[in-house]
Amino acid sequence: KQEVTQIPAALSVPEGENLVLNCSFTDSAIYNLQWFRQDPGKGLTSLLLIQSSQREQTSGRLNASLDKSSGRSTLYIAASQPGDSATYLCAVYNQGGKLIFGQGTELSVKP
Amino acid sequence: GAVVSQHPSRVICKSGTSVKIECRSLDFQATTMFWYRQFPKQSLMLMATSNEGSKATYEQGVEKDKFLINHASLTLSTLTVTSAHPEDSSFYICSARAGGATNEKLFFGSGTQLSVL
Repeated sequence: KQEVTQIPAALSVPEGENLVLNCSFTDSAIYNLQWFRQDPGKGLTSLLLIQSSQREQTSGRLNASLDKSSGRSTLYIAASQPGDSATYLCAVYNQGGKLIFGQGTELSVKP
Repeated sequence: GAVVSQHPSRVICKSGTSVKIECRSLDFQATTMFWYRQFPKQSLMLMATSNEGSKATYEQGVEKDKFLINHASLTLSTLTVTSAHPEDSSFYICSARAGGATNEKLFFGSGTQLSVL
């Protein structure tokens, strides 16, 4: 059974700092991996989708990497801003197309 | 990108009543939709997979008679929480897949916050 774990569960940083969020999964037989952002009481905003054949994806200040063999992914946020404060969710696409989520990292960026 | 509309965004109901949540794909046909539940401070847990024109497939531990799913068209899936109780209070969110391939990207609705009194 696929399990997705995110570390840390919560993170507080001062504005401007670069940071890394970690995601690990137990079954390397995944199709894709996707990072989402969720604001309190809201739905999900897709940030980056990495296909299984790719090593990383970049969008603006965000960079996500994928190492299937070790079952790990990281989300790098450069020059963090207070507006980046949210919960970040990592999810993997299993065989059958199901999306399995990690428990999320709650990020707080202090001005 | 594709848009998935979920309605209502928030509902408060009395214990024992039934609540219907709609999930619509606005600009694409969704052969498969997924329903998730999220408790406070927890991640999204997959409840069921809904395929157009066939019965939904429920995850282990999810009561199919409690959570009725109907996917009658390629643009609409509904989740009905029957005889709701306070423990059913949660954030429910749907997602839809545009293509038939299992690795197609999923698009998410904005979620429904259900509060059962």
